[in-house]
Amino acid sequence: AQTVTQSQPEMSVQEAETVTLSCTYDTSESDYYLFWYKQPPSRQMILVIRQEAYKQQNATENRFSVNFQKAAKSFSLKISDSQLGDAAMYFCAYGGATNKLIFGTGTLLAVQP
Amino acid sequence: GAVVSQHPSWVICKSGTSVKIECRSLDFQATTMFWYRQFPKQSLMLMATSNEGSKATYEQGVEKDKFLINHASLTLSTLTVTSAHPEDSSFYICSARDWTDQETQYFGPGTRLLVL
Repeated sequence: AQTVTQSQPEMSVQEAETVTLSCTYDTSESDYYLFWYKQPPSRQMILVIRQEAYKQQNATENRFSVNFQKAAKSFSLKISDSQLGDAAMYFCAYGGATNKLIFGTGTLLAVQP
Repeated sequence: GAVVSQHPSWVICKSGTSVKIECRSLDFQATTMFWYRQFPKQSLMLMATSNEGSKATYEQGVEKDKFLINHASLTLSTLTVTSAHPEDSSFYICSARDWTDQETQYFGPGTRLLVL
């Protein structure tokens, strides 16, 4: 069975600085997708970025980028120029052949002004 | 694009009553919708997968007679918590998958249920 691990329960970053959130996963599948979702205090889950496993190029979305290391089964999220609005719980998720999402336990990110 | 709504956003009910939560995909057709439950400061727990026109598939440990799911159209799925009890109090979130993009789930804003 697939698993997703987020080893950082909490992280803190200064406004305008860069922070990296870690995520590792375990799977025997070759085709899958990886996602980062953001859940602010409103609790609305927002898709931040997604990565197709067959693509070697790391996905980027404005200030958000990933470091996808398929052999190491690592999928970290880098947030550049952090803003106060980035403060939220971040969930890493795996989507494979079952068509279900498997979520990590989340990382609570605080942004200090 | 890819907007999912949920109604109601907040509901308080008495123990023993039933509560229906609606999940709608507003600008796309969703052949598959998912229902999750989330406890405070925890991750999302998948309850069931709902496919349009067929019976929902429930995760192990989820009582299908207690949590009734109906997916009657390509834009609407409903979750009915029957004979609700205080232990059913939680945050319920739905998600939907656009039939043109089978990999990404888009989430509704969630429904807070409090059973007194």
